[in-house]
Amino acid sequence: DADVTQTPRNRITKTGKRIMLECSQTKGHDRMYWYRQDPGLGLRLIYYSFDVKDINKGEISDGYSVSRQAQAKFSLSLESAIPNQTALYFCATSEYSHPATDTQYFGPGTRLTVL
Amino acid sequence: DQQVKQNSPSLSVQEGRISILNCDYTNSMFDYFLWYKKYPAEGPTFLISISSIKDKNEDGRFTVFLNKSAKHLSLHIVPSQPGDSAVYFCAASYGGSQGNLIFGKGTKLSVKP
Repeated sequence: DADVTQTPRNRITKTGKRIMLECSQTKGHDRMYWYRQDPGLGLRLIYYSFDVKDINKGEISDGYSVSRQAQAKFSLSLESAIPNQTALYFCATSEYSHPATDTQYFGPGTRLTVL
Repeated sequence: DQQVKQNSPSLSVQEGRISILNCDYTNSMFDYFLWYKKYPAEGPTFLISISSIKDKNEDGRFTVFLNKSAKHLSLHIVPSQPGDSAVYFCAASYGGSQGNLIFGKGTKLSVKP
């Protein structure tokens, strides 16, 4: 079984709809992250959480919100989806050991299309 | 402004030869660098890393070199295999970023049999 799972794997929605992407992990890591990948732009950080009570904005948080329901679960919401949020979304986890040596483990991704 | 740059979007190499993927960075505060590999329809997977106190780190066929004065790092794959065909992302972090990674745009490596 995968250590980091994401649901759904693919989603097509319409402009203005609310959508939630879910991430679960069995690695027991405290830290969780949401990224988006656009063609030619690499991965950009949306939100991150260092524990259940700690949520932080990343580079591109506008238009997104998150919820850390438990250590193992981190959800990303688009309150009112727009076409430029069409992208590949990745969840990641890490076990904090040292500020400069934290390795992240990624889920398989969710391909979101907003029409 | 891009802090981590991978200027080659793609690279094609013959099987058995060396693949060299390059990465440049602008933030002198970065002190930890990682390479991730990504296959289609999968998430990125950690490949190899290097701390700024080193200039080389090896793991089997993969070696990462760091030139701090040039703010440049490279990933060498020797010998290259068709299964190495993937997108490779360079990433960097520093203590002040709380472990958050800054990614480059990626280089697509194709290893031809």
